[in-house]
Amino acid sequence: QLQESGPGLVRPSETLSLTCTVSGGSIDTGDYYWAWIRQPPGKGLEWIGSVYYDGSNYSSPSLKGRVNVAVDTSKGQIFLTMTSVTAADTAVYYCARQGQGAYFDPWGQGTLVGVSS
Amino acid sequence: AIQMTQSPSSLSASVGDSVTITCRASQGVRNDVGWYQQKPGKAPKLLIFAGSLLQPGVPSRFSGGGFDTDFTLTISSLQPEDFATYYCLQDYNRPYTFGQGTELVIK
Repeated sequence: QLQESGPGLVRPSETLSLTCTVSGGSIDTGDYYWAWIRQPPGKGLEWIGSVYYDGSNYSSPSLKGRVNVAVDTSKGQIFLTMTSVTAADTAVYYCARQGQGAYFDPWGQGTLVGVSS
Repeated sequence: AIQMTQSPSSLSASVGDSVTITCRASQGVRNDVGWYQQKPGKAPKLLIFAGSLLQPGVPSRFSGGGFDTDFTLTISSLQPEDFATYYCLQDYNRPYTFGQGTELVIK
């Protein structure tokens, strides 16, 4: 199971930090990546970035270098950091386990993050 | 970035009907396509991965097909719980991209 956590509200220009806690399995199996995906209210899904258990990671170029995805295998946690947030970053943020063949499963239940002053 | 163009964007059908949703990739993606179902207020649920492989636990009325640029999700004999929004996803190339979604509503 995956569970996202973090603040529900972030001020514009500040940094959004979220944690995804993985339970019932190990992050460092090596068979999977771990991904962050978001969904603005009433809109579609957007892949943000992914991280491997060894820390190697990559993120969407559309986020212009504002994103970092990290992992702490000892804690079974994955992290998302997004800097310089604006109202456009208001969304439900999901974490998911990522396998081959567009395999994203399971997903966390999601956490809504609003950006507002 | 690879664009995934889904059609239709909305679809009206009745219980018992069979429906097909299509997704076209702007360039070849082999079979690196998945299909997801999302209900309001819930996380997406994986139905099909690698183009045509049914995720364990997903009813067999769901099937996926296609290769390269053209993909389909077919739901045969629609059940009441199938009315939801469906998304395709490619992970052949980064950035991974979703289709814009197909809302399946009850007629």
